[in-house]
Amino acid sequence: AQKVTQAQTEISVVEKEDVTLDCVYETRDTTYYLFWYKQPPSGELVFLIRRNSFDEQNEISGRYSWNFQKSTSSFNFTITASQVVDSAVYFCALSEAYANAGKSTFGDGTTLTVKP
Amino acid sequence: DGGITQSPKYLFRKEGQNVTLSCEQNLNHDAMYWYRQDPGQGLRLIYYSQIVNDFQKGDIAEGYSVSREKKESFPLTVTSAQKNPTAFYLCASRDRGGGQPQHFGDGTRLSIL
Repeated sequence: AQKVTQAQTEISVVEKEDVTLDCVYETRDTTYYLFWYKQPPSGELVFLIRRNSFDEQNEISGRYSWNFQKSTSSFNFTITASQVVDSAVYFCALSEAYANAGKSTFGDGTTLTVKP
Repeated sequence: DGGITQSPKYLFRKEGQNVTLSCEQNLNHDAMYWYRQDPGQGLRLIYYSQIVNDFQKGDIAEGYSVSREKKESFPLTVTSAQKNPTAFYLCASRDRGGGQPQHFGDGTRLSIL
């Protein structure tokens, strides 16, 4: 069975601090996809990034960066120089290519609060 | 603009009443999903459909029903059998192909009167 664990329930930082959100996953598939979504107070989940299991390259997009390590089954998300607008709930998700094709498993989310 | 529309935004249910949450998408996506989100918790899958006229139960399907008569529509009925319906409900859709991200609606908040 697939499982996603976001051990950090809540994180609070002061603006301009760097913050890392952890994500650990479990799967038996060799082909799978990992995602990060952002849920602002409005409620709609917004897609941030997708990685497939064969691509371990780290990715950077502006202040956001992602570190994918298959050896530790982790897909961590770092926000550099955080801003108040980054305050939201962040979800990590896993989608398997075969065993549960079409379904995604979400972690419980990490609530990030960035204080001015 | 393409997207997913959920309605209503807020919904109140009386005891013993069935209510239906609407979800419409104009993204031409094959797959659609319904999730339930409780305060401080993640998303739990209720039902999903990968093609018109076909759908599967998710992890918490009891007390819910769906239909998929049209590609763009995937309504969710919360029946009276669902004893704890108060939650935030999110609808999503996804394009065909491995590993496509899901697109989400704004959600419907359901409460009991």
